[in-house]
Amino acid sequence: ILNVEQSPQSLHVQEGDSTNFTCSFPSSNFYALHWYRWETAKSPEALFVMTLNGDEKKKGRISATLNTKEGYSYLYIKGSQPEDSATYLCAFTGNQFYFGTGTSLTVIP
Amino acid sequence: NAGVMQNPRHLVRRRGQEARLRCSPMKGHSHVYWYRQLPEEGLKFMVYLQKENIIDESGMPKERFSAEFPKEGPSILRIQQVVRGDSAAYFCASSPGTVASTDTQYFGPGTRLTVL
Repeated sequence: ILNVEQSPQSLHVQEGDSTNFTCSFPSSNFYALHWYRWETAKSPEALFVMTLNGDEKKKGRISATLNTKEGYSYLYIKGSQPEDSATYLCAFTGNQFYFGTGTSLTVIP
Repeated sequence: NAGVMQNPRHLVRRRGQEARLRCSPMKGHSHVYWYRQLPEEGLKFMVYLQKENIIDESGMPKERFSAEFPKEGPSILRIQQVVRGDSAAYFCASSPGTVASTDTQYFGPGTRLTVL
């Protein structure tokens, strides 16, 4: 069983603040790292898939970076808005699929 | 273009009964994945299927649980003789099936199973 760890577990920020959180994963047998956004009472929604060391992806105010050699990915949100409130999940795919337990973000208006 | 459909959304069973959870993938998707989310825990991979084939069932409990994805119709996750510990949210996801490890998985709304 592999450990995919996300930190922090939860986060409260003020509207307009920028924030970031971390996903740590094993650096061996790496195929891809996925980020998902999961709003309460909805399904997880894919944000990014990253496969190469040094990959950076961006979607609006959200961006992500990948370091496969040291086994971590960062997700950044610039100028947080209340609608960004959700749980952000990362998933490591090697031989199997492993999800982290997520970072719960609350943006306070 | 409908997304991933799961039914029922909520299912209540008594201990010892059978639970059948259905998942219809997105149109054009040939790969289906089942995950379980126990209370206060994250998503745990259970099984990965293609049409008529189980590719990886390493996350599935060895007893009472089975999954299928027939040539026609939805994928079925079947839990026999349910126990209280089976109470969880069960999510299905589908992907196009080009490269499983890098494919984006599209999730359904989940089935909340409650065992009384």
